[in-house]
Amino acid sequence: AQSVTQLDSHVSVSEGTPVLLRCNYSSSYSPSLFWYVQHPNKGLQLLLKYTSAATLVKGINGFEAEFKKSETSFHLTKPSAHMSDAAEYFCVVDTGRRALTFGSGTRLQVQP
Amino acid sequence: KAGVTQTPRYLIKTRGQQVTLSCSPISGHRSVSWYQQTPGQGLQFLFEYFSETQRNKGNFPGRFSGRQFSNSRSEMNVSTLELGDSALYLCASSLGSRGDAYGYTFGSGTRLTVV
Repeated sequence: AQSVTQLDSHVSVSEGTPVLLRCNYSSSYSPSLFWYVQHPNKGLQLLLKYTSAATLVKGINGFEAEFKKSETSFHLTKPSAHMSDAAEYFCVVDTGRRALTFGSGTRLQVQP
Repeated sequence: KAGVTQTPRYLIKTRGQQVTLSCSPISGHRSVSWYQQTPGQGLQFLFEYFSETQRNKGNFPGRFSGRQFSNSRSEMNVSTLELGDSALYLCASSLGSRGDAYGYTFGSGTRLTVV
């Protein structure tokens, strides 16, 4: 079965510093992986997706993620945090049965 | 291009009642999925419909049901509401039959409170 583990429930950074949100996956085959962001009282917005093409995936708002099969990781990064990045981030795997399995989420706090 | 529309945004119901939530996918999208989000359990898959057929169902009791209409709009029904059904219910639509290839677009959700 496919699953994802988000290694940090909460990450705090200062504005202008790099962001790293960690995600490990478990899959019996090459998975489809996503990162979604959820702002307070809002739905989920797709940041980026990996579907077995390039291992370095660029998303919206300056975010990117690198698929590392040897480490079974799909960490999300951004070079410079902005106050508007404060939100909850979900690492997600498609089970291959048209159902998504979500990680437990990482709450990103950005300090001024 | 309109996004995924969920109605209503907020609902308050009493235990034992039933509720129907609606989701209108992006125009042209034929796959609609439903998810439940709670603080304790996180985001969990409920079911997925494609061309009016339920293709997959999550691990929820039979009180949770859904359907999809010929215009791809979907409804979700919860009967005999329990306090634990209080949650944000999210709908997602996808262009084709393989969501992983196209990605999923989520609506803003319906916040259901059971009292």
